Amino acid sequence: AQTVTQSQPEMSVQEAETVTLSCTYDTSESDYYLFWYKQPPSRQMILVIRQEAYKQQNATENRFSVNFQKAAKSFSLKISDSQLGDAAMYFCAYREYNNNDMRFGAGTRLTVKP
Amino acid sequence: ETGVTQTPRHLVMGMTNKKSLKCEQHLGHNAMYWYKQSAKKPLELMFVYSLEERVENNSVPSRFSPECPNSSHLFLHLHTLQPEDSALYLCASSQDFGRTGNSNQPQHFGDGTRLSIL
Repeated sequence: AQTVTQSQPEMSVQEAETVTLSCTYDTSESDYYLFWYKQPPSRQMILVIRQEAYKQQNATENRFSVNFQKAAKSFSLKISDSQLGDAAMYFCAYREYNNNDMRFGAGTRLTVKP
Repeated sequence: ETGVTQTPRHLVMGMTNKKSLKCEQHLGHNAMYWYKQSAKKPLELMFVYSLEERVENNSVPSRFSPECPNSSHLFLHLHTLQPEDSALYLCASSQDFGRTGNSNQPQHFGDGTRLSIL
């Protein structure tokens, strides 16, 4: 079974600074997808960014970017120019190609200090 | 406004009660999911419905019974729950193309139902 590990239960960043959240995963597959979701106190899980494993180029969405290292099975999320609204739980998720099953990490709680 | 609506938002029930959680998606998706979210644990996938057919059941106890009458609605029927079943139950939907299609489509989540078992 594929597992997703987020080794940082909590992280803190100063407003306007940059923070990186770590994620590693275990798989024997070559085709898969990776996601970062954000869950604010409102509870709704919101997609932040996604990466297809076959793409070498790291995905970027405005202030959010990933560092995808396929050989190392690492998928970290970088948040630049952090804002107060970025405070939330962040979940890394893995999904196999042609499979409905999505595996989530335990999450990292991000605090943004003004 | 979220494309995935869950009701109720909060539910408190005794162990002998029978209740149902409801999920409705307005996104035209053809797959729906139930997840259990407990404190400090990864989200646990409970059930997956694709094209209204259950395609996955991750060893969930029979006291949880899902129902998917159509592609827009998903229910989770609860019966004789245990205190350890207290958690946030999240519903999600996505556009899937079955077992031969592209599964990079993200899942869209509802706000969840906070369930407390007394």
